[in-house]
Amino acid sequence: EVQLVESGGGLVQPGGSLRLSCAASGFTFSTYSMNWVRQAPGKGLEWVSYISSSSSTIYYADSVKGRFTISRDNAKNSLYLQMNSLRAEDTAVYYCAVALMVPGANDYWGQGTLVTVSS
Amino acid sequence: EIVLTQSPATLSLSPGERATLSCGASQSVSASYLAWYQQKPGLAPRLLIYDAASRATGIPDRFSGSGSGTDFILTISRLEPEDFAVYYCQQYGSSPQTFGQGTKLEIK
Repeated sequence: EVQLVESGGGLVQPGGSLRLSCAASGFTFSTYSMNWVRQAPGKGLEWVSYISSSSSTIYYADSVKGRFTISRDNAKNSLYLQMNSLRAEDTAVYYCAVALMVPGANDYWGQGTLVTVSS
Repeated sequence: EIVLTQSPATLSLSPGERATLSCGASQSVSASYLAWYQQKPGLAPRLLIYDAASRATGIPDRFSGSGSGTDFILTISRLEPEDFAVYYCQQYGSSPQTFGQGTKLEIK
């Protein structure tokens, strides 16, 4: 069974940092690219970042470029999102997602982890 | 960046009725790389349709997708009570991938 389990969310002050993790199981993690997608309270979905299977290709949304860093450890079947210089507008549920069947169409999602940026 | 605009924002229908949801793209979506997701409160999105018209694994055949270029449609042929949710389209043909703002399908 494919599982994605996010962790690391919480309350952080503006300007602070947080590191999210996503533990993957049930598929060969090292062969698939991964995405982070977020959803602000009551709002729609926003793609945040992409990393290829070997980490050779990385993309970021303009809204987080220069502040967030995506990475992965294929030996640990884990995906990460280092978030620095956090702003109130980064408050959201953060999902990790993978497209196993068709590249780009995310068919498996984690349950999400809530990040709240507030003083 | 391709901007996706979904309409209507809210659709009020009754169980048994047919639902038609639209997704318009600001420029042509490469190779019809468009997906539809369903999201219920407190849950992660669920993939319904990929490549504009292919149903994902386990999705009932009352869900169908169509379209190409800049205009795409999600049709739910006969609404079941569990279908009332928010629906999002997503294009993954051009980087960055982008999502529409969503259509809320509510019970009339």
